[in-house]
Amino acid sequence: DVKVTQSSRYLVKRTGEKVFLECVQDMDHENMFWYRQDPGLGLRLIYFSYDVKMKEKGDIPEGYSVSREKKERFSLILESASTNQTSMYLCASSQPGVPNQPQHFGDGTRLSIL
Amino acid sequence: DQQVKQNSPSLSVQEGRISILNCDYTNSMFDYFLWYKKYPAEGPTFLISISSIKDKNEDGRFTVFLNKSAKHLSLHIVPSQPGDSAVYFCAASAKGGSEKLVFGKGMKLTVNP
Repeated sequence: DVKVTQSSRYLVKRTGEKVFLECVQDMDHENMFWYRQDPGLGLRLIYFSYDVKMKEKGDIPEGYSVSREKKERFSLILESASTNQTSMYLCASSQPGVPNQPQHFGDGTRLSIL
Repeated sequence: DQQVKQNSPSLSVQEGRISILNCDYTNSMFDYFLWYKKYPAEGPTFLISISSIKDKNEDGRFTVFLNKSAKHLSLHIVPSQPGDSAVYFCAASAKGGSEKLVFGKGMKLTVNP
């Protein structure tokens, strides 16, 4: 069974801080994704990666960066946290080229920026 | 521009009845559609999917219908159970379910005992 683990379930940080959200998957998946979920807006893609050291911008990359140094780990970085980045952050992974294989999600990190 | 739309924010049904969740899309390049279910404080879990070469896919109590000409899909849950109460997200992709997904805003389903 696929396991996607996000390092923190709840996190409280202050405006201007640099924030790291970590995600690890145990299925040797090539694809990894970061989304944020906000009430009334659904899930929106921030960044994704199809391989180690590779990254692509999603629909809302402003204010974020990512790092993928190892295949199993995908980090989301808030360079200078702001209150409008208070949200639920969800990491997902998937294996390309396998028919009908969906993305598998972690349980999320609820981040509050004060 | 919202490419995947779930126009009803909520639905309430009685246990044992049918739940019908609707989803519309605008991008004709989408060729794969998925439904995810999400409980509070948990990540979304994959429920069922359908490729654009099909118009129906069944898995137990869950059936997804796709109408490509109308750019519309629906999820039917029969019979509905209280444990089905959750937020349901419709998602679409132009390259299959493992690739970049576009999600709808979600719909909260409540199944009353």
